[in-house]
Amino acid sequence: SQKIEQNSEALNIQEGKTATLTCNYTNYSPAYLQWYRQDPGRGPVFLLLIRENEKEKRKERLKVTFDTTLKQSLFHITASQPADSATYLCALPTDSWGKFQFGAGTQVVVTP
Amino acid sequence: EAGVVQSPRYKIIEKKQPVAFWCNPISGHNTLYWYLQNLGQGPELLIRYENEEAVDDSQLPKDRFSAERLKGVDSTLKIQPAELGDSAVYLCASSLGAAGPTGELFFGEGSRLTVL
Repeated sequence: SQKIEQNSEALNIQEGKTATLTCNYTNYSPAYLQWYRQDPGRGPVFLLLIRENEKEKRKERLKVTFDTTLKQSLFHITASQPADSATYLCALPTDSWGKFQFGAGTQVVVTP
Repeated sequence: EAGVVQSPRYKIIEKKQPVAFWCNPISGHNTLYWYLQNLGQGPELLIRYENEEAVDDSQLPKDRFSAERLKGVDSTLKIQPAELGDSAVYLCASSLGAAGPTGELFFGEGSRLTVL
């Protein structure tokens, strides 16, 4: 069966450092992968999409990589700030028509 | 432009009671989703609509859950009767679906259900 794994333990980092989150998947061959941010009590918010033919994607202080051989995506937050504290979810399409499966998410806590 | 609107934000009911959640998607979004999210977990799809047609309801517990999307716009998710295990956050999302460039989902704030 299709499975998505994200680090279940919270990632505690110091302000200014780089946070790196992983998203591993099995039994998928996704054409792309999405990352979302979720704050407590709020719905997820789309951050980035990376396609299978893209090795790396950047948006401001965010960087995403996608290795289809390893079946893994890495999500980096550079120069982290306390405002980056949230849960980050990866999502993969399970069909061509807009169906997505989400990972459980990794909580990031950035301390001043 | 208004985002996805859900109501109520919070609902507390006793088990065996009915409950309904309402969702108004972003204008022009033909695809609408209902997800369930338990604490510490990612959203899990309950049902997906393309316009007014439910194209994927394989994970909707049809013995007690029902949903409708009349006129292909607003949607309602109903639980009757509610059980203790239904306590969760019910998220509505909309998107341009396959017509969109990224397949990005736009989520509402969610409806938090507590069943006592």
